[in-house]
Amino acid sequence: GENVGLHLPTLSVQEGDNSIINCAYSNSASDYFIWYKQESGKGPQFIIDIRSNMDKRQGQRVTVLLNKTVKHLSLQIAATQPGDSAVYFCAEILTGGGNKLTFGTGTQLKVEL
Amino acid sequence: DSGVTQTPKHLITATGQRVTLRCSPRSGDLSVYWYQQSLDQGLQFLIQYYNGEERAKGNILERFSAQQFPDLHSELNLSSLELGDSALYFCASSPRGIEQFFGPGTRLTVL
Repeated sequence: GENVGLHLPTLSVQEGDNSIINCAYSNSASDYFIWYKQESGKGPQFIIDIRSNMDKRQGQRVTVLLNKTVKHLSLQIAATQPGDSAVYFCAEILTGGGNKLTFGTGTQLKVEL
Repeated sequence: DSGVTQTPKHLITATGQRVTLRCSPRSGDLSVYWYQQSLDQGLQFLIQYYNGEERAKGNILERFSAQQFPDLHSELNLSSLELGDSALYFCASSPRGIEQFFGPGTRLTVL
């Protein structure tokens, strides 16, 4: 995949189990935090975002938790499926500065059958 | 399919050359973003355009430039190419800046 040159942390889970992917962000002034999924050979795909004044947001099978005290973000995927296998990136946005995404390193999620 | 298109899909060229990467945003999106994904740097923001005007710049080299045309498509120009410029280049578009839709990318190989 595109990220093999980086030392990506890997999370291996059994199909049907819940996955928790963690991310530490750097800028306490960021307004939004976003999770992206990138499958091999494809561009990043938006999963879910959370505004900085929230601590939890739920989507379809996914939940994002934000802990601003320790600058930590997590993505929980319920009932992980083989199709969830991908690299997951957290990203932060400081609005007003062009809304550029600052990406984290990424985590490789491997779903075992 | 995100609705963002990028051409070409692959590009192989030599050091010192110049290439142009093209991006068509989703219908209605005024913002276009360019990102570089390399093996050692991960995903890095390069530059953003909004309705034809440059809005934000990231770690974009002086050898690189971009523009957004009246029909909202964008081009990223890379000149005096070096081996280290080999990477995936992604374009993204957005209706409001938070949710960005990425294209399939252009894989650039500099030999």
